[in-house]
Amino acid sequence: EAGVAQSPRYKIIEKRQSVAFWCNPISGHATLYWYQQILGQGPKLLIQFQNNGVVDDSQLPKDRFSAERLKGVDSTLKIQPAKLEDSAVYLCASSPGGLGGELFFGEGSRLTVL
Amino acid sequence: GEDVEQSLFLSVREGDSSVINCTYTDSSSTYLYWYKQEPGAGLQLLTYIFSNMDMKQDQRLTVLLNKKDKHLSLRIADTQTGDSAIYFCADLTGTASKLTFGTGTRLQVTL
Repeated sequence: EAGVAQSPRYKIIEKRQSVAFWCNPISGHATLYWYQQILGQGPKLLIQFQNNGVVDDSQLPKDRFSAERLKGVDSTLKIQPAKLEDSAVYLCASSPGGLGGELFFGEGSRLTVL
Repeated sequence: GEDVEQSLFLSVREGDSSVINCTYTDSSSTYLYWYKQEPGAGLQLLTYIFSNMDMKQDQRLTVLLNKKDKHLSLRIADTQTGDSAIYFCADLTGTASKLTFGTGTRLQVTL
């Protein structure tokens, strides 16, 4: 079974530029998550989708971050404009849904903002 | 909001047991998880425990849950160099299944 795919793996941009990350979850998984992991910290939930609807985006900085999950499958996370403090690994995860379901994580997209 | 805390670093000798501790604040947690993260890799689920259990054993891994004290631990028996990684505890709360991660414990295994 294919895992969660993310791209790009690495991205370096200058502050005030924009960047987009893509995630393809495991086939059939209803729930998709984007986490931000700053170096030395645990992952922080940015947004959670159930199919193509948003369940929780309370920690998403909506002035600069946006995410969508069209057709309830792939998802993109965009940052515009980027700030230095956005340097982090952006992890996508998916789960079949339902209480207690395991989250399967992709390898992450590492963003460096200069 | 939910707060999950872990100690930052643990060093053990190969062959010894490792115990990684975690505390959480939300008493409505339903499941608690342990994830492992190796350098440059995503998170790998090691094991999990349902909140109405107090212990779960899975080969070299033993999870203990003290729900009264909101304390979770992961014991790794016969720790190997391949166990060197960062270990995150996480708890699942709410009807929307929100997963909150701890700060991570870096386990270093020495020869």
